[in-house]
Amino acid sequence: GAVVSQHPSRVICKSGTSVKIECRSLDFQATTMFWYRQFPKQSLMLMATSNEGSKATYEQGVEKDKFLINHASLTLSTLTVTSAHPEDSSFYICSARDSPTETQYFGPGTRLLVL
Amino acid sequence: AQSVTQPDIHITVSEGASLELRCNYSYGATPYLFWYVQSPGQGLQLLLKYFSGDTLVQGIKGFEAEFKRSQSSFNLRKPSVHWSDAAEYFCAVVQGDDKIIFGKGTRLHILP
Repeated sequence: GAVVSQHPSRVICKSGTSVKIECRSLDFQATTMFWYRQFPKQSLMLMATSNEGSKATYEQGVEKDKFLINHASLTLSTLTVTSAHPEDSSFYICSARDSPTETQYFGPGTRLLVL
Repeated sequence: AQSVTQPDIHITVSEGASLELRCNYSYGATPYLFWYVQSPGQGLQLLLKYFSGDTLVQGIKGFEAEFKRSQSSFNLRKPSVHWSDAAEYFCAVVQGDDKIIFGKGTRLHILP
């Protein structure tokens, strides 16, 4: 089946630094990828929709200058958390949409801890 | 607006017992429906999906779900659960612009 990878799986950083998370579709091309945030014991919150070759579309309340998204190729999208603060600590999950099957496949997630 | 409701936050069943997790949705047209499973600290894995056709769909790990348009439901079932099925289960529906709307999840606990 379709596989989506995320790197890194865990990251700890100091407050004020930036962190980049990669999302790759390994065996299919994805013109659309999505970034989610999940707080402990809660459902996923869609942060933004990433379309290859164009600007990401952010959900209401998500700061686009803080969460930079780049979808430079059909298999790679990156989320950069800029000037991270402790409240940004969370579990970030990406998904990639396999167009022929209209199915989203999810990455394993990245746990971010900001000290 | 579309919404997905999973009325049970927690469900506990004994190992070997049958399982049904409820999911109701609101959407004007025929929805694309999904069930995902999330093990602790992990991402989500697709269990099964419904787009059209046969309303009873089979998924991985012995799970099945039935789409009932009259009840706006897409309940997940398994005839006999295993301890490894303990996880959180999310029902989801795709909006017209391809965004997935998730339910709040149902945490499944298995008694030995």
